[in-house]
Amino acid sequence: EIVMTQSPATLSVSPGERATLSCRASQSVSSNLAWYQQKPGQAPRLLIYGASTRATGIPARFSGSGSGTEFTLTISSLQSEDFAVYYCQQYNNWPPTPLTFGGGTKVEIK
Amino acid sequence: EVQLVESGGNLIQPGGSLRLSCAASGFTFSIYGMSWVRQAPGKGLEWVSGLSSSGAGTFYADSVKGRFTISRDNSKNTLYLQMSRLRAEDTAVYYCAKDLYGAFDVWGQGTMVTVSS
Repeated sequence: EIVMTQSPATLSVSPGERATLSCRASQSVSSNLAWYQQKPGQAPRLLIYGASTRATGIPARFSGSGSGTEFTLTISSLQSEDFAVYYCQQYNNWPPTPLTFGGGTKVEIK
Repeated sequence: EVQLVESGGNLIQPGGSLRLSCAASGFTFSIYGMSWVRQAPGKGLEWVSGLSSSGAGTFYADSVKGRFTISRDNSKNTLYLQMSRLRAEDTAVYYCAKDLYGAFDVWGQGTMVTVSS
């Protein structure tokens, strides 16, 4: 199983500032990496897939980069609605290789 | 509107069985793979099971293999998860999700399964 590790666990950021979230895979997943946003009481929402492609309707302030084992989600200027938990997920060789998520990064107001 | 609606969650005793359903609408259900993803209270996301568009290919996390069975009825636009020999650690919100080449672009609102005596 590919283990996904996200850092930091919590990120304190002021509105308008840039946020940089990291995700590391225990082995190469190529560009088969997605990012999700989850707010309390809601289902996750797909932000990025293919490591850098924004999903439909996702604002341009969200960007993804990386390949292999190191990935980054950048939120260029945090808006109030961006404070949430963010998860990365790998889908390399799916199926049949199991899908795995990172433990999440909580972005909170500083 | 593209939508997934889960149902069937409940309080169930350890060792019991439960079937979850996920009704899809607003897209051509029969051409997409689907999965179940769960989230224990206060915890992160865990992929549970997935299947191909035809239902011929089924895949499971080690934590549920041999206890859970995923299936679909394309004539009813519905995804199922049959859960048996339930354990306390299966307590979670269960989401169904539409597969976009391995990422999940559409999620349901979730259904709560509580395993407790």
